[in-house]
Amino acid sequence: QQQVKQSPQSLIVQKGGISIINCAYENTAFDYFPWYQQFPGKGPALLIAIRPDVSEKKEGRFTISFNKSAKQFSLHIMDSQPGDSATYFCAARGTGGGNKLTFGTGTQLKVEL
Amino acid sequence: NAGVTQTPKFQVLKTGQSMTLQCAQDMNHEYMSWYRQDPGMGLRLIHYSVGAGITDQGEVPNGYNVSRSTTEDFPLRLLSAAPSQTSVYFCASSYLGQGANSPLHFGNGTRLTVT
Repeated sequence: QQQVKQSPQSLIVQKGGISIINCAYENTAFDYFPWYQQFPGKGPALLIAIRPDVSEKKEGRFTISFNKSAKQFSLHIMDSQPGDSATYFCAARGTGGGNKLTFGTGTQLKVEL
Repeated sequence: NAGVTQTPKFQVLKTGQSMTLQCAQDMNHEYMSWYRQDPGMGLRLIHYSVGAGITDQGEVPNGYNVSRSTTEDFPLRLLSAAPSQTSVYFCASSYLGQGANSPLHFGNGTRLTVT
């Protein structure tokens, strides 16, 4: 079953606009919430991550907002650029040991000129 | 420093054939894992390992075997390929450690088609 739900499935944003991708989780035993970025033909790469004791984390144009009570977190890409066009995955790590990540289904972002 | 290397990049199998997907990392990572990526389903964990000699099942382990004889290598074996195993397979590795938020480093994947 899908423990991390991600939306939207695809997103088209104009250059300079804000891209917003949302995720919701069901398992309260998750302790780490990373976002991965994937370009065609490549493996996913870590973009930004947050722990559940923090409500927001910003790195450059990328911000994660985290709402623990609602079990939701989102990625905001400010001033979106064509080079940001990629597939984005949210993920959550269980506390049972190892570095097991449960991924969302992915969002294909296209930034148009 | 090559990171995570996966071979082959592409493979076509007939139903019932077996094969091994290779994964090697040169970062001395304790943790290694295999995911499959299917359209609309994200990445799903197949098997993982927290060190040499230790492996465990993930979310979708049926039809796959793994072993971890060295820190560097974590091969994935398909014993009798089925069309449902047509997918893109990713190997990923990371450090372990209490409280560590070590990112997973992914290889560039193996695209497998089973006919």
